Amino acid sequence: TQLLEQSPQFLSIQEGENLTVYCNSSSVFSSLQWYRQEPGEGPVLLVTVVTGGEVKKLKRLTFQFGDARKDSSLHITAAQPGDTGLYLCAGAPRGTYKYIFGTGTRLKVLA
Amino acid sequence: DAGVTQSPTHLIKTRGQQVTLRCSPKSGHDTVSWYQQALGQGPQFIFQYYEEEERQRGNFPDRFSGHQFPNYSSELNVNALLLGDSALYLCASSAVEGVRNEQYFGPGTRLTVT
Repeated sequence: TQLLEQSPQFLSIQEGENLTVYCNSSSVFSSLQWYRQEPGEGPVLLVTVVTGGEVKKLKRLTFQFGDARKDSSLHITAAQPGDTGLYLCAGAPRGTYKYIFGTGTRLKVLA
Repeated sequence: DAGVTQSPTHLIKTRGQQVTLRCSPKSGHDTVSWYQQALGQGPQFIFQYYEEEERQRGNFPDRFSGHQFPNYSSELNVNALLLGDSALYLCASSAVEGVRNEQYFGPGTRLTVT
């Protein structure tokens, strides 16, 4: 079974704190995407990482793709209440078009 | 530039009935994927359509079927509805573009089966 496991599952932090979300798999991915989803809405694409070891920054969010392209991380600096939401990593394991989502990290940032 | 659109927004059906959901992809995209998202869970891949053919299927029964039209829009059909089919159904579009696999999602259709 091809799985993407995320940790932590839930995270409640104070405004201004830093956090890191991890996305791990035993499968190799040609690329991984990170999404944020609000309740009752579709996921919104944040970033795509393609190259092993790649680091991408989106304002206060930093995304990294593992060297072996089996894992990824999302780091948020100085979290704000507007960062609250469900964060999902996703991708299609190499050799398949079956797009799978991670187990999700539900983040709540308290003012 | 219109993004992915889905219709209807909400739908209430009775067990045993059939339902059709519709999706129009983002401009320039030729691939459409469908997902089921139960409350509190991540989206689960149902299938993907490309060039009017089902290219890949997830672990869903044959009650779930689809179609892609020449203009790349797509339909998801679910027959013999079960209570467990109640979920948010998401459509995503993408472009054949090497390894990127970026998916752009619509707002979803909330299906309630009673």
